[in-house]
Amino acid sequence: DARVTQTPRHKVTEMGQEVTMRCQPILGHNTVFWYRQTMMQGLELLAYFRNRAPLDDSGMPKDRFSAEMPDATLATLKIQPSEPRDSAVYFCASVKWGFRYNEQFFGPGTRLTVL
Amino acid sequence: KQEVTQIPAALSVPEGENLVLNCSFTDSAIYNLQWFRQDPGKGLTSLLLIQSSQREQTSGRLNASLDKSSGRSTLYIAASQPGDSATYLCAVPMIKAAGNKLTFGGGTRVLVKP
Repeated sequence: DARVTQTPRHKVTEMGQEVTMRCQPILGHNTVFWYRQTMMQGLELLAYFRNRAPLDDSGMPKDRFSAEMPDATLATLKIQPSEPRDSAVYFCASVKWGFRYNEQFFGPGTRLTVL
Repeated sequence: KQEVTQIPAALSVPEGENLVLNCSFTDSAIYNLQWFRQDPGKGLTSLLLIQSSQREQTSGRLNASLDKSSGRSTLYIAASQPGDSATYLCAVPMIKAAGNKLTFGGGTRVLVKP
C-alpha cells in the first residue's frame, strides 16, 4: 500500500530552535509539494520540486525557511530560527507527473508547535 | 488570482440523509478539480479527481459534478453514515500555473449524527 510518509508526526520546540521536517514521497513519484495548514489561513502551498529541482518556493518565507530534495526518496523542510507563528501542520504531497491527471497524494502531516 | 470558496463551512445531518457539498472557483481555466477528505489530526485523502473535460465523476456513494462555465463543483454523498463525518476540501490547479499548484477551499466540516 504505497503512501507518503512524514516524520516527525509531532514536534514541540522553543522559539529560535531549528526544525527539520522530512517527507518520503511515494516510490516513482517525481513531484513533491510542501503545504502548511492553519486555522486562520487554511492550506497554503510553500514550495514544490520536480525531479529534485525546486520549481517554485514563492510561498515560503525565505529568510527562515528552506526546502531541499537531497535524493528522489527524501524531501526536507527546514525552519531556522523557528517562531511561534510557524506553529501549524505541515503536509507534503507527491505526484507522478503526467499520470492520473497529476492527482496529489498527501502525507499525514507534521504538527509543529513553537513555544 | 484564483479563489476557491466552500459554503457552508459546517454541516450537520442525520444518518441516512444525502449530503450536498458546494465548491466555487473564480477562474474557470482549471486543469481539474480534486475533492479531499480530512479527518481530525490526519492528512488529506483524495476522494475524486474530475478532469476539466468531464462533467461528472463517481466512486461508490460519492458523485462529483463540475460546471466550469459557472465555476462550480458539487460533491454528493448518498445515504450518509457517521463514518462520513470529516472535513471535505476541494482544490483546483490552474492551467496557467506551472506545476499543478493547488488552490484549496476552506473546507466544509460535516457531522453525520447517528
